[in-house]
Amino acid sequence: EVELLESGGDWRQPGGSLRLSCGTSGFTFDIYAMNWVRQAPGKGLEWVSGLIGSGRSTYYADSVKGRFTISRDNSKNSLFLEMNNLRADDSAIYYCVRGMDNSGSGSPVWGQGTTVTVSS
Amino acid sequence: DIQMTQSPSSLSASVGDTVTITCRASRSISSWLAWHQQKPGKAPKVLIYKASSLETGVPSRFSASGSGTEFTLTISSLQPEDSATYYCQYYNNYSPWTFGQGTTVEIK
Repeated sequence: EVELLESGGDWRQPGGSLRLSCGTSGFTFDIYAMNWVRQAPGKGLEWVSGLIGSGRSTYYADSVKGRFTISRDNSKNSLFLEMNNLRADDSAIYYCVRGMDNSGSGSPVWGQGTTVTVSS
Repeated sequence: DIQMTQSPSSLSASVGDTVTITCRASRSISSWLAWHQQKPGKAPKVLIYKASSLETGVPSRFSASGSGTEFTLTISSLQPEDSATYYCQYYNNYSPWTFGQGTTVEIK
């Protein structure tokens, strides 16, 4: 069974930093693209960042570009999101989401989410 | 980036009804479209991927079609447990993902 488990969500003041982690199991991690998607309270889903299986290509939403860094450790089947210069509008539930494999197969799979709160 | 326009934003229907949700892409996305269901306080879960492929374990009353720029999700014989918000999503390994604004389905 495919499982994604996020951790690291917490409260930070504006300007602070936080690192989210996503541990995975049940699939061959290093051939799948992985993504972060967030949802602010009462709002819709917003894609944040993604990277391919090798980690060599990364993608960011304009709202986080230059502040957030996505990375992965394929030896530990883990995905990370380094969040710097946090703003109040970064407050959200952050979901780790599996994309497709290198051949374009597979369906999205969601973790249960971790909550980030940015306030003074 | 590709924009996804989803309609309606909400709908109300009775048990047993058939409902349809539409999603339009700002340019062709081939079949790179998924539909997700989200219930309050829960993570989204995928219903449909590759525009029309039913995810394992999802009831067959859910179906979807489309390609290019026009896509639809149909729920036949609506059930009380189908009360949720539904999102379409453009997904691709080599470009940003985009979600529709969501459609809230209420059971009368």
